[in-house]
Amino acid sequence: SQTIHQWPATLVQPVGSPLSLECTVEGTSNPNLYWYRQAAGRGLQLLFYSVGIGQISSEVPQNLSASRPQDRQFILSSKKLLLSDSGFYLCAWMGQNYGYTFGSGTRLTVV
Amino acid sequence: QKEVEQDPGPLSVPEGAIVSLNCTYSNSAFQYFMWYRQYSRKGPELLMYTYSSGNKEDGRFTAQVDKSSKYISLFIRDSQPSDSATYLCAMTLTGGYQKVTFGTGTKLQVIP
Repeated sequence: SQTIHQWPATLVQPVGSPLSLECTVEGTSNPNLYWYRQAAGRGLQLLFYSVGIGQISSEVPQNLSASRPQDRQFILSSKKLLLSDSGFYLCAWMGQNYGYTFGSGTRLTVV
Repeated sequence: QKEVEQDPGPLSVPEGAIVSLNCTYSNSAFQYFMWYRQYSRKGPELLMYTYSSGNKEDGRFTAQVDKSSKYISLFIRDSQPSDSATYLCAMTLTGGYQKVTFGTGTKLQVIP
């Protein structure tokens, strides 16, 4: 069965510090991978998606970037965090039924 | 106007009640409709998905899609305290890796 791992679960980072969140998928090959951010009252916002190694599409221009160095690995990064980057970050992959399987999320607080 | 509108709640019901959760949308091109359940501090999990109009039932859950009215519903029968969560509707165009558009979620509390 397919599983998705995301870490860390929580993170408190100072403004201006770098960020790296990692997501890995098991049990499937060549998955479509996604990074979402969830903010209170604003729903889920798609940040990036990837259909293959090295292929990244950005949905929202911002302070973040994404990379896919391996087939089942998806990384979200920032060189300098802003207060507005705080939120709940979710990695997901899409199955054949167009439904997502989400990771457990990373709660990021920028202070 | 948002593409998908969902009442944020919170919705409080007694255990055993029938719960109705709803979303309206504006884009008539949406073909796939989904409901996710999200417990506090967890990632959403897919509950149900339907294609085009009609009903789909899975245990105590029934999803309905009315494309003519651009309205989707999730019914929960015999609600349980374990159903307490935020429910998000979602929808997408047909095919491939299309972007999924989510509602903001309705928070449900089932009181024992």
